[in-house]
Amino acid sequence: AQTVTQSQPEMSVQEAETVTLSCTYDTSESNYYLFWYKQPPSRQMILVIRQEAYKQQNATENRFSVNFQKAAKSFSLKISDSQLGDTAMYFCAFMKQNAGGTSYGKLTFGQGTILTVHP
Amino acid sequence: DAMVIQNPRYQVTQFGKPVTLSCSQTLNHNVMYWYQQKSSQAPKLLFHYYDKDFNNEADTPDNFQSRRPNTSFCFLDIRSPGLGDAAMYLCATSRGPSRSGGNEQFFGPGTRLTVL
Repeated sequence: AQTVTQSQPEMSVQEAETVTLSCTYDTSESNYYLFWYKQPPSRQMILVIRQEAYKQQNATENRFSVNFQKAAKSFSLKISDSQLGDTAMYFCAFMKQNAGGTSYGKLTFGQGTILTVHP
Repeated sequence: DAMVIQNPRYQVTQFGKPVTLSCSQTLNHNVMYWYQQKSSQAPKLLFHYYDKDFNNEADTPDNFQSRRPNTSFCFLDIRSPGLGDAAMYLCATSRGPSRSGGNEQFFGPGTRLTVL
């Protein structure tokens, strides 16, 4: 079984600054995918960024980037130039790769980190 | 816009009174998921449908059932809700098996269930 741990229950950052959210995971799988999802207050969860474990290059999406350290089983999210709209609960999630190299199915989530961006 | 819709957004039921939560999607995705998210906790997968094939998680209580009458709709039935079943219930969808690298799951806004 996989476990995902987010050790920071809450974080805060000033607008326009940079913040890093931590995530570690434990798995015996060698092929898998990692995700960061954002859940704004009273709104639906949306995908922020994803990383394939077989790719060494860290994923980036505009102001969002990850630091993926496979050996250390670490997957942190960096948010640059933080905006008020980034205020949300952030979940790190794991999905194992299925037989045949395909992927769909169960997401295992961490406990979440509440990020507040202050003006 | 293609989306995942959950009705109702808020549901109040009485202890032991059956309740049904609804999810519909316009994305035409093969897979539909139900997650339970208790306050300040991680979402936990209850089960999912891949087309008409039902896949139950090993630790999902028998009290929870699901139906998927067609591609667009999926229902979560709680046969005898207990106080411990009060939670946010999230419906999500995704494409079926893909080699394109980590199928994104699209979430609905959730239904918050209160059990009195």
